[in-house]
Amino acid sequence: QVQLQESGPGLVKPSETLSLTCTVSGGSISSYYWSWIRQPAGKGLEWIGRIYTSGRSNYNPSLKSRVTMSVDTSKNQFSLKLSSVTAADTAVYYCARDVGYGSGTYDYWGQGTLVTVSS
Amino acid sequence: DIQMTQSPSSLSASVGDRVTITCRASQSISSYLNWYQQKPGKAPKLLIYAASSLQSGVPSRFSGSGSGTDFTLTISSLQPEDFATYYCQQTYSALSFGPGTKVDIK
Repeated sequence: QVQLQESGPGLVKPSETLSLTCTVSGGSISSYYWSWIRQPAGKGLEWIGRIYTSGRSNYNPSLKSRVTMSVDTSKNQFSLKLSSVTAADTAVYYCARDVGYGSGTYDYWGQGTLVTVSS
Repeated sequence: DIQMTQSPSSLSASVGDRVTITCRASQSISSYLNWYQQKPGKAPKLLIYAASSLQSGVPSRFSGSGSGTDFTLTISSLQPEDFATYYCQQTYSALSFGPGTKVDIK
C-alpha cells in the first residue's frame, strides 16, 4: 500500500520560503507524476504543480513565479519550495500521486500538513 | 483558465436519500472530470474518474455522468459515512477544482 507523508516547518515568516518534503513508502517513486495541492482553512483545493521522476515539472500559472519542485528518487522523496510567502499562503499542503501519464487524477494522498505564514 | 462551479454549495439529506450534485465547467472539458470526497481533517478521496468510472474500492451507490460542460455525481442511497464535502476536478487543462458541495445530516 502506497503511503505519502508530508514534512516541513509548520510556521514560516512572511517573505521567506516555504519548504516541504513528501516521502513515499510502500512503492517506488519512479515512473509517476507527483503533485502538491493546498487548501486554506474552510476553503477549496488549489493545485500547485506536479513533477515527474525525470524532473520535468508543471506549475499552476498563478504560482509559477514562486514555485520550485524537485525529486530525489534515491530517497523516494519529492519537494516543494514556495518563495516570498504571505498570509495568503497559509493552508494545509497535501502531496499526492497521479494515477498515471500525468492525468491529473490523484489516487494516493498524504495526510496533509498545516503551514502557517506569520511573523 | 477553466472555471468550475458546483451546485448546490450545501445540502441537507437523510440516510437513504438519493443525492445529486452538479458540476459545470466554463468550457467543454470532454470527460476530463473527477469527483473526490473529503471528510473533516482528512485528505480528499478519489471516487469517480473520467466522469463516470468508479474508482476501485468505492461503493457502487456512487455514480457519475456527463460530458462537455455539465456533470453529475449521484449517491443512490445516502449512508452515514457519506456525509462529507464533494469536489469536482477538471483535468482537461491546468488542473482546477470546483468550490465543493457539503452534504450534511438533515
